[in-house]
Amino acid sequence: DAGVIQSPRHEVTEMGQEVTLRCKPISGHDYLFWYRQTMMRGLELLIYFNNNVPIDDSGMPEDRFSAKMPNASFSTLKIQPSEPRDSAVYFCASSLGAETGNEQFFGPGTRLTVL
Amino acid sequence: AQSVAQPEDQVNVAEGNPLTVKCTYSVSGNPYLFWYVQYPNRGLQFLLKYITGDNLVKGSYGFEAEFNKSQTSFHLKKPSALVSDSALYFCAVRDNYLGYNKLIFGAGTRLAVHP
Repeated sequence: DAGVIQSPRHEVTEMGQEVTLRCKPISGHDYLFWYRQTMMRGLELLIYFNNNVPIDDSGMPEDRFSAKMPNASFSTLKIQPSEPRDSAVYFCASSLGAETGNEQFFGPGTRLTVL
Repeated sequence: AQSVAQPEDQVNVAEGNPLTVKCTYSVSGNPYLFWYVQYPNRGLQFLLKYITGDNLVKGSYGFEAEFNKSQTSFHLKKPSALVSDSALYFCAVRDNYLGYNKLIFGAGTRLAVHP
């Protein structure tokens, strides 16, 4: 299995531009999570999906952020318009099931720099 | 609300010596506890978890963790540290409030193993 796949690995953009981050979860996993990691705030959960349905988006910082999961094998996190304070590493993770506390598998992350 | 605390920002240990990375938790109900490791420029990797059963849990790369209910702790341990163990370590607890399936991560502890 290739694991969780994220693209791009690095993104540099200018303030005001739209940014789209992509994630392909591990095949068969029914949960997908988006996290943001910064030095100041550590690792933050932004949103997560179960069977392609958003369950908890309380971590999404503001309306500039949106996430979709059109099918079981693809999700996007979009920032429009982007701001310098959005600079961070964004991780996608997936897991199988819920009742047994199955572990999450993380992708390699997308390092976003907004100038 | 569920929470975890990692009281040490950094732990320094000499190669070959035992290491301990501390974690305490606060949950309602039975805790599901996890340890993850993050190497530079990589995503988080699962090390081990405690769901139920033996208080001593063995995981990847020779790591183990001891669940202590009375002290609400889940410390990560390794009998003999390697320089290659130097990384950022995260403790996490499952938050199943309202049936949610998400992990609450600690702030992380940076482990530095010196030759």
